[in-house]
Amino acid sequence: AQKITQTQPGMFVQEKEAVTLDCTYDTSDPSYGLFWYKQPSSGEMIFLIYQGSYDQQNATEGRYSLNFQKARKSANLVISASQLGDSAMYFCAMREVDSSYKLIFGSGTRLLVRP
Amino acid sequence: DVKVTQSSRYLVKRTGEKVFLECVQDMDHENMFWYRQDPGLGLRLIYFSYDVKMKEKGDIPEGYSVSREKKERFSLILESASTNQTSMYLCASSLGQLVDTQYFGPGTRLTVL
Repeated sequence: AQKITQTQPGMFVQEKEAVTLDCTYDTSDPSYGLFWYKQPSSGEMIFLIYQGSYDQQNATEGRYSLNFQKARKSANLVISASQLGDSAMYFCAMREVDSSYKLIFGSGTRLLVRP
Repeated sequence: DVKVTQSSRYLVKRTGEKVFLECVQDMDHENMFWYRQDPGLGLRLIYFSYDVKMKEKGDIPEGYSVSREKKERFSLILESASTNQTSMYLCASSLGQLVDTQYFGPGTRLTVL
């Protein structure tokens, strides 16, 4: 069964607007971590933000925030004030504590920021 | 800053050749990983290593082997390259803690003809 689902293969957003990238996950492990990575056209995966399953507050890193809804098993990435440089592939990933450090990735969402 | 480097950005090989992909990290990380990335499939784990000379199979190890003789270096080996191994290969490393963020190299785009 797919453990990380990103249902939006591609999205557009206008520059300076906010955008939400969806991610749902499936696990029976009570302890897990959720990650978002950005992959620009250069190919390198850039770590953006982390949310632990026991964290009480939603994670934030600059313009990135993670809308964590544990009961719904969703971990959506919110990018505020989009910039042209935000155009990239975005991947959601999960690590289950019992899984020997393995990350499971979703299939990604391609975001294009329009000027 | 964590630095993960990969030996080549682009590589073209012929079917049946033995291929070595090298990865080096400079942050004394315990864990190192090799992934392949294909359109629509995200990243899939090939092998990982949590210590020198230790390795574990990931989700798609068939056709690959790995070597970790030194802590900072993790090599991916294609013993006999095949066209279905044409892909983007990404190396990552992590400290080995609870949060355990993985940091990635720039990737190697391998084409097998």
